[in-house]
Amino acid sequence: DIQMTQSPSSLSASVGDRVTITCRASQSISRYLNWYQQKPGKAPKLLIYGASSLQSGVPSRFSGSGSGTDFTLTISSLQVEDFATYYCQQSYSTPPWTFGQGTKVEIK
Amino acid sequence: QVQLQESGPGLVKPSETLSLTCTVSGGSISTYYWTWIRQPPGKGLEWIGYIYYTGSTNYNPSLKSRVTISVDRSKNQFSLKLSSVTAADTAVYYCVRWTVVTDAFDIWGQGTVVTVSS
Repeated sequence: DIQMTQSPSSLSASVGDRVTITCRASQSISRYLNWYQQKPGKAPKLLIYGASSLQSGVPSRFSGSGSGTDFTLTISSLQVEDFATYYCQQSYSTPPWTFGQGTKVEIK
Repeated sequence: QVQLQESGPGLVKPSETLSLTCTVSGGSISTYYWTWIRQPPGKGLEWIGYIYYTGSTNYNPSLKSRVTISVDRSKNQFSLKLSSVTAADTAVYYCVRWTVVTDAFDIWGQGTVVTVSS
């Protein structure tokens, strides 16, 4: 199985901050990398697919980059509603499709 | 707009079979891959398996011996059965749509809590 490792596991930030979350795959996954946002008690929501494509309806302050094994999710100016846990997920080749362990973004 | 809704018992006894159903509304179950994902309390996400509307399936090897996913196109539903459950199977179970358009999980049900306990 392809292992996905996110860093950091948690971070504290203020409204307006630029936030970057990193995801690393245990082998090359080309650009088959997706990002999800999960708020407490809610289902995850797709933010970014194909490493850098913004899902419809997602604010443009979210962006993704990377290819191969290293990827980043950036929130350009953190808003109150962005405090949540973020997961990366690889969709390379055949399943099992795997997720990172999550990064919790908290209010400083 | 397509919506997914999980249903089934919230409490299952150890060694028994967990059974959940997902109803797809606002669209046809034909086309797309229909998946189950779970999340133990306070933990991350685990993909369980998928079924294509034709009936072909693919399961996580870690659960393959205990999992069955089936589809009922006439009812626009798909189902999960997980046998021989233990406390480690306690989790929120989500039914989710996978699309090859984005190669991502784009529509999620709200999730249902399943507790394994005697």
